[in-house]
Amino acid sequence: GENVEQHPSTLSVQEGDSAVIKCTYSDSASNYFPWYKQELGKGPQLIIDIRSNVGEKKDQRIAVTLNKTAKHFSLHITETQPEDSAVYFCAASRNNAGNMLTFGGGTRLMVKP
Amino acid sequence: DAGVTQSPTHLIKTRGQQVTLRCSPKSGHDTVSWYQQALGQGPQFIFQYYEEEERQRGNFPDRFSGHQYPNYSSELNVNALLLGDSALYLCASSRGPGNNYGYTFGSGTRLTVV
Repeated sequence: GENVEQHPSTLSVQEGDSAVIKCTYSDSASNYFPWYKQELGKGPQLIIDIRSNVGEKKDQRIAVTLNKTAKHFSLHITETQPEDSAVYFCAASRNNAGNMLTFGGGTRLMVKP
Repeated sequence: DAGVTQSPTHLIKTRGQQVTLRCSPKSGHDTVSWYQQALGQGPQFIFQYYEEEERQRGNFPDRFSGHQYPNYSSELNVNALLLGDSALYLCASSRGPGNNYGYTFGSGTRLTVV
């Protein structure tokens, strides 16, 4: 089955700096890669996603890149703000697995004011 | 528009007991998936229900079972609880079993087994 590895497990940045979180996946048939933000006491919330026919996607301060050959994808957050502090998860899904997601282990992002 | 609602929010059970968790999907959604999230880890897929049938299952024992009702709401049942079943149980809903668009998670039920 699919295996998703995520690094780093914790990340501390100063407000205004950029943050990068990286994930690798094992199943070359995976074709959908969402990123979730999870705040304390809440469920994961989708912040951005990318499909395998696209190399990069941007939404304001957030961007995701995908390298299918190397089987890795990354989340980039620019101009970080204290409210970006949360746990971030990457995930992968394949077409014939319905919408079942395989998650990475998570990254705790701390943005210091 | 209500999102995915789960009940209860917290509960404590004794080892060996049985538990039922409930999920109401987002309006317009007909597919429900359940995930287990142990402390400090990513969610793990348990199973998915569509048209009142289990469509996919992750690597979980038969102690974990579910049900989906005609109104698309769903239940997760866990029998013979183990200490290791302590986790946050998340429900996610979508429109169709193969549709990632609009895949929405609830806030979860925190289960503690003592």
